Amino acid sequence: ETGVTQTPRHLVMGMTNKKSLKCEQHLGHNAMYWYKQSAKKPLELMFVYNFKEQTENNSVPSRFSPECPNSSHLFLHLHTLQPEDSALYLCASSQTLADYNEQFFGPGTRLTVL
Amino acid sequence: GQNIDQPTEMTATEGAIVQINCTYQTSGFNGLFWYQQHAGEAPTFLSYNVLDGLEEKGRFSSFLSRSKGYSYLLLKELQMKDSASYLCAVRDSNYQLIWGAGTKLIIKP
Repeated sequence: ETGVTQTPRHLVMGMTNKKSLKCEQHLGHNAMYWYKQSAKKPLELMFVYNFKEQTENNSVPSRFSPECPNSSHLFLHLHTLQPEDSALYLCASSQTLADYNEQFFGPGTRLTVL
Repeated sequence: GQNIDQPTEMTATEGAIVQINCTYQTSGFNGLFWYQQHAGEAPTFLSYNVLDGLEEKGRFSSFLSRSKGYSYLLLKELQMKDSASYLCAVRDSNYQLIWGAGTKLIIKP
């Protein structure tokens, strides 16, 4: 495996379900990110981790809970979601948080909340 | 507030040239990125500008004017595979990336 991988690619869940999204990067990067992408809207940064430590939480509702056990893995735990949470959830990584570092994105998880 | 503006959609002809504009108002500036995103796929990095001027990379070039809060992505010799969304993003004074909503580029034969 190379680059940034995400599983599952598609997820349909009810509002009472609990599920988790997984992201893994094989690039040796130290920073990882969760984004939400809704149709025709800008990417919304949700969480940032640097060397496994959370550095940003952009006022994300508590029904989204991130976990970063090591620099290569990132999880997003979901519970009691709302239909408006349906979106593409993208994971990304970068070498560091430095301004010139590009971010490498995974293919995303298409989430549908019924 | 912070804002990135890009046209929602543009159409161009195969073999032609197209310029996608991006204007920004952010709290500070620490670089501007352009990404390409094909439908159903991950965004991929195209270019990075931090100083004024033109950066050329093959058929793609990116221009920045910090005083005007303006950038453009220039695509030459358009190919059908260039049909995609093009995302502009600015890193602000807190080193956060502020993203535009993207420009959907449609290439016609």
